[in-house]
Amino acid sequence: GAGVSQTPSNKVTEKGKYVELRCDPISGHTALYWYRQSLGQGPEFLIYFQGTGAADDSGLPNDRFFAVRPEGSVSTLKIQRTERGDSAVYLCASSLYPGVGELFFGEGSRLTVL
Amino acid sequence: AQSVTQLDSQVPVFEEAPVELRCNYSSSVSVYLFWYVQYPNQGLQLLLKYLSGSTLVKGINGFEAEFNKSQTSFHLRKPSVHISDTAEYFCAVSEGTGNNRKLIWGLGTSLAVNP
Repeated sequence: GAGVSQTPSNKVTEKGKYVELRCDPISGHTALYWYRQSLGQGPEFLIYFQGTGAADDSGLPNDRFFAVRPEGSVSTLKIQRTERGDSAVYLCASSLYPGVGELFFGEGSRLTVL
Repeated sequence: AQSVTQLDSQVPVFEEAPVELRCNYSSSVSVYLFWYVQYPNQGLQLLLKYLSGSTLVKGINGFEAEFNKSQTSFHLRKPSVHISDTAEYFCAVSEGTGNNRKLIWGLGTSLAVNP
């Protein structure tokens, strides 16, 4: 596609529920990143995929968070047993040249946990 | 570990005035430097970047930034701002090697351009 697409744009859920957030990167971009952005903060790194594999998942806050990219394109961020503290905007970005850090971002998925 | 400090959380300025948004980082070892902009209700987009070469980097929308290795700074400037420049600006540093580089972000500077 023309840009990075993220769905849903907004998600409201109840504490304890399971949530999936989807990212469709720019066609041909092998690198895909997930970030989380809270109000008044910069993006917080979660996980980086190079192709199908997670090259760096050191930013995932705990084992309730998991992400997959089974075919090296679309990625899904999965959050189990959501907590109110998980409320944030989840950003996805893709890159053709990951080594030089130029990222193309989607508009984000705003997650609100009640 | 690398850290990025944006010295001003909010910068109010009048239209057509010059502006400087300040950014300092903690280490000058093999870093790449970036400014991203986030307009209201939009995703982040790259404004400009420094990888190597000339320390004065020009970006989109008339912005430029200067890499100062001795002061570990990468301040963003524009000689005359427009209302449409109102946005959140993020400085970021890429650390690591090869494909394992990742971005470390500042907290952002909110630029408000007033008529």
